[in-house]
Amino acid sequence: EADIYQTPRYLVIGTGKKITLECSQTMGHDKMYWYQQDPGMELHLIHYSYGVNSTEKGDLSSESTVSRIRTEHFPLTLESARPSHTSQYLCASRGTINTEAFFGQGTRLTVV
Amino acid sequence: LAKTTQPISMDSYEGQEVNITCSHNNIATNDYITWYQQFPSQGPRFIIQGYKTKVTNEVASLFIPADRKSSTLSLPRVSLSDTAVYYCLVGDTSTYSGAGSYQLTFGKGTKLSVIP
Repeated sequence: EADIYQTPRYLVIGTGKKITLECSQTMGHDKMYWYQQDPGMELHLIHYSYGVNSTEKGDLSSESTVSRIRTEHFPLTLESARPSHTSQYLCASRGTINTEAFFGQGTRLTVV
Repeated sequence: LAKTTQPISMDSYEGQEVNITCSHNNIATNDYITWYQQFPSQGPRFIIQGYKTKVTNEVASLFIPADRKSSTLSLPRVSLSDTAVYYCLVGDTSTYSGAGSYQLTFGKGTKLSVIP
């Protein structure tokens, strides 16, 4: 069983609110990822990190930001939520050299 | 990162063997081929990974020809619970060679529907 956790699982929030989606892993993995996925649609990489104090933007432009102050923690923040941010957000981690990626349960965000 | 091409969708009856082929013409020498499975509302789950020839585990087999420009994921005797999206990924993260080298990018995948 993968030791990667996302909170909250579900979130309904009003437009303009600041939110932080949490992602933590206890496997000591150096690489972590955030994806955005709408139902039945493609999985889009929005942020990734290859270690502490490293963050990179992914293929899909996102208004969210991330930080990586500790190896095990990779939170994603939206400063001002909008209805267009409604989606499922998936966090993943991976260890060294071509190892498999483990995904969290996801956070389903609804902005009203 | 090597670009991959897979069929958008496939249908199969229960109990049949399913083969999903992925094309990756510009695969690099150090690239590995990895397959993931995703059920609705869940994150992808690792199935199998290989570099060349054939790899088999308790879930699937992966066939890679000598030129490595394609690979085939084989699922033996599928059941309804195998209905999912299957992704083929090609890449190498053994050495850091720039900002994009640690990306883990999923394409559109192949939606497999198993019919009773």
